[in-house]
Amino acid sequence: RKEVEQDPGPFNVPEGATVAFNCTYSNSASQSFFWYRQDCRKEPKLLMSVYSSGNEDGRFTAQLNRASQYISLLIRDSKLSDSATYLCVVNTYNAGNMLTFGGGTRLMVKP
Amino acid sequence: GAVVSQHPSRVICKSGTSVKIECRSLDFQATTMFWYRQFPKKSLMLMATSNEGSKATYEQGVEKDKFLINHASLTLSTLTVTSAHPEDSSFYICSAAGGANNSPLHFGNGTRLTVT
Repeated sequence: RKEVEQDPGPFNVPEGATVAFNCTYSNSASQSFFWYRQDCRKEPKLLMSVYSSGNEDGRFTAQLNRASQYISLLIRDSKLSDSATYLCVVNTYNAGNMLTFGGGTRLMVKP
Repeated sequence: GAVVSQHPSRVICKSGTSVKIECRSLDFQATTMFWYRQFPKKSLMLMATSNEGSKATYEQGVEKDKFLINHASLTLSTLTVTSAHPEDSSFYICSAAGGANNSPLHFGNGTRLTVT
């Protein structure tokens, strides 16, 4: 089993739809979590950190479920510009950063 | 603005030559730097993890003599692709993290390497 797993998609949704991605992690000692967005042929960019209490940034909501060991990203009112690959990153800090990527989930928002 | 600078962004070289890619953290001390390669429409593949002042830890299947990584300071790591071959052509990306356990990764803008 991979340490960090994501459904690769693609998720094809119409504009205005709400879409959610999950990311599961296997190491219960993992301490911090992030969502990144990667556009084609570009470097990943930090979308948001994921806090234990959940956090929201505009149309984006991130949640952490430690009991079930997953994080989620919810995108409301999808825009065409949201089309990208979304990567989750898990940090299992142990005398140094140990950051593990999921394989990414591809989202395609259609007009 | 960018917090991690990667250079060059694009390089074309001939087979057999070596190419050095630099990754600099601009306004923080990067205790850990990561190097990835990415093929078209594929996910990032971690090549190696380097902590400042120590030898890099390479992922399985990545030749350490082929991909030399140096992390001599808290703001600079370099990846040298030695004796490059056409199959080394790829998109190489570095990322850096600070020392705290909630430090997010910051990525360089990547280097597109083409070996002819």
